[in-house]
Amino acid sequence: GQNIDQPTEMTATEGAIVQINCTYQTSGFNGLFWYQQHAGEAPTFLSYNVLDGLEEKGRFSSFLSRSKGYSYLLLKELQMKDSASYLCAVRPYAGKSTFGDGTTLTVKP
Amino acid sequence: KAGVTQTPRYLIKTRGQQVTLSCSPISGHRSVSWYQQTPGQGLQFLFEYFSETQRNKGNFPGRFSGRQFSNSRSEMNVSTLELGDSALYLCASSLSQGVDEQYFGPGTRLTVT
Repeated sequence: GQNIDQPTEMTATEGAIVQINCTYQTSGFNGLFWYQQHAGEAPTFLSYNVLDGLEEKGRFSSFLSRSKGYSYLLLKELQMKDSASYLCAVRPYAGKSTFGDGTTLTVKP
Repeated sequence: KAGVTQTPRYLIKTRGQQVTLSCSPISGHRSVSWYQQTPGQGLQFLFEYFSETQRNKGNFPGRFSGRQFSNSRSEMNVSTLELGDSALYLCASSLSQGVDEQYFGPGTRLTVT
């Protein structure tokens, strides 16, 4: 099965860079995904990694190391609107999609 | 392109009743997954449908069921509602199974009294 661990809460300052880590124990998966969820809203897709390495999408980047069971989401030039919950998820081809409990990020001025 | 739609958005039911929730995926998407989200348990996978067949199922009792139609629209049903079923039910669609990213609908907020 898959167990996913993320920090519960993080706080950062507007304009700064923040890294949200995700560790997992899984027997195998096709992709690791990151989603953003604002309070009271549905999750929205941010990024995913299939191969090891860094994927960059504007202010957001995601990294994956399968050998270490580790991923992170990097947010640059933080804005107040980035205050949200960030969910790490694994999506195996033939299995259950599993989400972490999410990391609540608070961006302060 | 229209996003994932879910109906109804809000629902109040009493214990013992049954409920049916509906999800229309993004046009062209063939995979639909359902999730339950509660403050204590986070996002929990219910089931996934692809080409009208249930492909994967989460650890939920048999009271939770679903189906998918030929146009990829999906419904989920919860029978004999319990107070603990109060949650946000989210539907997500993707092009196919596997590595495709999922796009979530706004959810149905179910309250069981």
